Amino acid sequence: SAVISQKPSRDICQRGTSLTIQCQVDSQVTMMFWYRQQPGQSLTLIATANQGSEATYESGFVIDKFPISRPNLTFSTLTVSNLSPEDSSIYLCSVAGSASSTDTQYFGPGTRLTVL
Amino acid sequence: AQSVAQPEDQVNVAEGNPLTVKCTYSVSGNPYLFWYVQYPNRGLQFLLKYITGDNLVKGSYGFEAEFNKSQTSFHLKKPSALVSDSALYFCAVRDMAPGNTGKLIFGQGTTLQVKP
Repeated sequence: SAVISQKPSRDICQRGTSLTIQCQVDSQVTMMFWYRQQPGQSLTLIATANQGSEATYESGFVIDKFPISRPNLTFSTLTVSNLSPEDSSIYLCSVAGSASSTDTQYFGPGTRLTVL
Repeated sequence: AQSVAQPEDQVNVAEGNPLTVKCTYSVSGNPYLFWYVQYPNRGLQFLLKYITGDNLVKGSYGFEAEFNKSQTSFHLKKPSALVSDSALYFCAVRDMAPGNTGKLIFGQGTTLQVKP
């Protein structure tokens, strides 16, 4: 399976600031996704990162709050803007459509965000 | 709409005993079903999947799952539990509806506690 890394692994931020999370894959993948896991909760898809075009956002998530970039087939960033304590979550990058597997999503280690 | 249910918040088993973590699903069309495990402060690790074929699917770490179409279930099983299996387990279905991106829809998760 693809090796996925995320930076930072964790961060503590002040409200009103922004945090940008990077996701790097060691091979080209067709699809990249960003999920949020709130404390004690399951995973919710934020958006699908599309290479060379705007991300596709799920209901309840907007581009102004969660801008996403995907400049190529191995890299994506998620920014969480205008932070509030409610944004404290784990943010996970996921990929699918690698050469070794077309139908399984693999996840990065996650970024644990705490907003004070 | 696609959905996944994990009816048990927590499952407790003694080491060496068999374990079952339950999952039921609701999909339109053929289901693409997955199990993931999350250890504390870690990302999600892929365990196994059912796409087509044999109803009994074998995966990582000795886990297996049985696809039951009539009961719309995909329960995770292991013949002999280890203390190290203690973790949070997620069942997921891939949304293959036309026009969707194949995103994963997760159950709420089941905490497995294996006691020595």
